[in-house]
Amino acid sequence: DIQMTQSPSSLSASVGDRVSITCRASQSISSSLNWYQQKPGKAPKLLIYLTSSLQSGVPSRFSGSGSGTDFTLTISSLQPEDFATYYCQQSYSTPYTFGQGTKLEIK
Amino acid sequence: EVQLVQSGAEVKKPGDSLKISCKGSGYTFTTYWVGWVRQMPGKGLEWMGIISPGDSDTRYSPSFQGQVTISADKSISTAYLQWSSLKASDSAIYYCARGSTWVDYWGQGTLVTVSS
Repeated sequence: DIQMTQSPSSLSASVGDRVSITCRASQSISSSLNWYQQKPGKAPKLLIYLTSSLQSGVPSRFSGSGSGTDFTLTISSLQPEDFATYYCQQSYSTPYTFGQGTKLEIK
Repeated sequence: EVQLVQSGAEVKKPGDSLKISCKGSGYTFTTYWVGWVRQMPGKGLEWMGIISPGDSDTRYSPSFQGQVTISADKSISTAYLQWSSLKASDSAIYYCARGSTWVDYWGQGTLVTVSS
């Protein structure tokens, strides 16, 4: 299985801040990397697929970059509704493993 | 409107069998793979496996192979996740999800509680 490691595991930030979350794969996954947002008690929501493609309806303050083994999700200016847990997922080979999650909290 | 509607919460005893469902609507069910994702209490997301409803091609995570069975009935646009003998450690929320290389729609989740 391909292991996905996110950092940090948790992050405190303020509204308006620019934040980045990193995801590292245990082997090259080309650009087969997705990002999801999950709020408490809700199903996850797709933000970005194939490293940098923004899902329809997702605000442009979310962006993704990277290739190979190292990837980044960036939120350019945090909004109150962005405080949630974020997961990366590789879709290069099954099982399509998730990272352990990054909890983004209000400072 | 695309929807995945899952069956309701279940409370079972260790050793019981269980089959939960996920009904797709608003799209051609056979066109997209349907997957299952486990979330144990307070924990992260775990990919369990996926099925192609059109031909029932199924892929499992090694962590779940032999522990669960994924199936689908394309005639009623429904995917299933089943257990033959539940354990307390199967207590979790289970999400169905549309798509293979990325998931664009999720079910609302089914809470499974296994307790004696």
